[in-house]
Amino acid sequence: DTAVSQTPKYLVTQMGNDKSIKCEQNLGHDTMYWYKQDSKKFLKIMFSYNNKELIINETVPNRFSPKSPDKAHLNLHINSLELGDSAVYFCASRSGGDTEAFFGQGTRLTVV
Amino acid sequence: QKEVEQDPGPLSVPEGAIVSLNCTYSNSAFQYFMWYRQYSRKGPELLMYTYSSGNKEDGRFTAQVDKSSKYISLFIRDSQPSDSATYLCAMSEYSGGGADGLTFGKGTHLIIQP
Repeated sequence: DTAVSQTPKYLVTQMGNDKSIKCEQNLGHDTMYWYKQDSKKFLKIMFSYNNKELIINETVPNRFSPKSPDKAHLNLHINSLELGDSAVYFCASRSGGDTEAFFGQGTRLTVV
Repeated sequence: QKEVEQDPGPLSVPEGAIVSLNCTYSNSAFQYFMWYRQYSRKGPELLMYTYSSGNKEDGRFTAQVDKSSKYISLFIRDSQPSDSATYLCAMSEYSGGGADGLTFGKGTHLIIQP
């Protein structure tokens, strides 16, 4: 069973479109994250959610909005997509007090 | 200056060699230090974890942290072709990253030649 699963794995879309990436974890974790990995492989935190509450929001454009319908899911909505949004987006989860954050396989977003 | 500096490589070594990977950082509040391994088109997976300064060994892998120098290392002994991957250092003030998540280095692309 996949611990942290993301869909879709690949997403190609045109500039200006609105898209969503879904993330589900079956580990019972209470904190979930979205990370962005750019073309130079630099992995940077975007959001974290703890018990359905947004904890942090780094310097991310407000076109990006996380939505958590329940503790096991954290979806990422992106409005008015731009070329610079092309990257691999990783969802991760962690249990409070634990060390390890488990990552999903990533969603490779290409904006054309 | 970026918070975490890591040489992106690529670093190419022959099979069986000892590999040394390292990161430097500027935030003295970091207390938890991790190494993640990422294979091509896969998500990062935790390889090693250390708290504060010191060494930790797990099989062929040894992680070292020197907080006074703000320098961390990962050593791989008897390197295998299957070790070929990108190795990302990560660190945080809180265990597992807490609410702030992890701060990653850029990753070092390692190639082990058979």
